[in-house]
Amino acid sequence: EDQVTQSPEALRLQEGESSSLNCSYTVSGLRGLFWYRQDPGKGPEFLFTLYSAGEEKEKERLKATLTKKESFLHITAPKPEDSATYLCAASNSGNTPLVFGKGTRLSVIA
Amino acid sequence: DAGVIQSPRHEVTEMGQEVTLRCKPISGHNSLFWYRQTMMRGLELLIYFNNNVPIDDSGMPEDRFSAKMPNASFSTLKIQPSEPRDSAVYFCASSFQGHYEQYFGPGTRLTVT
Repeated sequence: EDQVTQSPEALRLQEGESSSLNCSYTVSGLRGLFWYRQDPGKGPEFLFTLYSAGEEKEKERLKATLTKKESFLHITAPKPEDSATYLCAASNSGNTPLVFGKGTRLSVIA
Repeated sequence: DAGVIQSPRHEVTEMGQEVTLRCKPISGHNSLFWYRQTMMRGLELLIYFNNNVPIDDSGMPEDRFSAKMPNASFSTLKIQPSEPRDSAVYFCASSFQGHYEQYFGPGTRLTVT
């Protein structure tokens, strides 16, 4: 069964304290690994898609990387506005549902 | 583009009542997904459509749940009769064929008392 596991469940950082969120997956024939950000009371907001091991993508203070078994979301010098739940999802084909992890709830304290 | 639109944003109903949730996907997208999110189980797929045709409804909890997509710009998720355990946030998402990214609506928070 396809599965996505995220760790830690919650992470509390001081402003400027860099860290990484982990997403491990067991998906046969991975076609895409996705990162979303979800703010309270809102729908998940698309951040990145990674297609193959070794690929990296960046957006502001966020950088996502992918290996054959896991993905990392690196947060460099976070700010309080980066506080959110970050969701990881995987797909083994286009136009089919994503398998989501349960998310990492990030809090960045000023 | 307005993004994915869902209505209502909040719904409070009594057990046994019928509930209808509505979704308008992004114009031009031809895949539509209904998810349910709870603290315990996270995001779970309920059903998805490609080109208005239901492809996989294996995530629908039971026969009390039904979904339709009469045209490319509208879908409904109906619960009849509703039960307290159906309380959750229901999200609709859409994507364009050939692309993997799914774009989510703001969700409907359903409370069944």
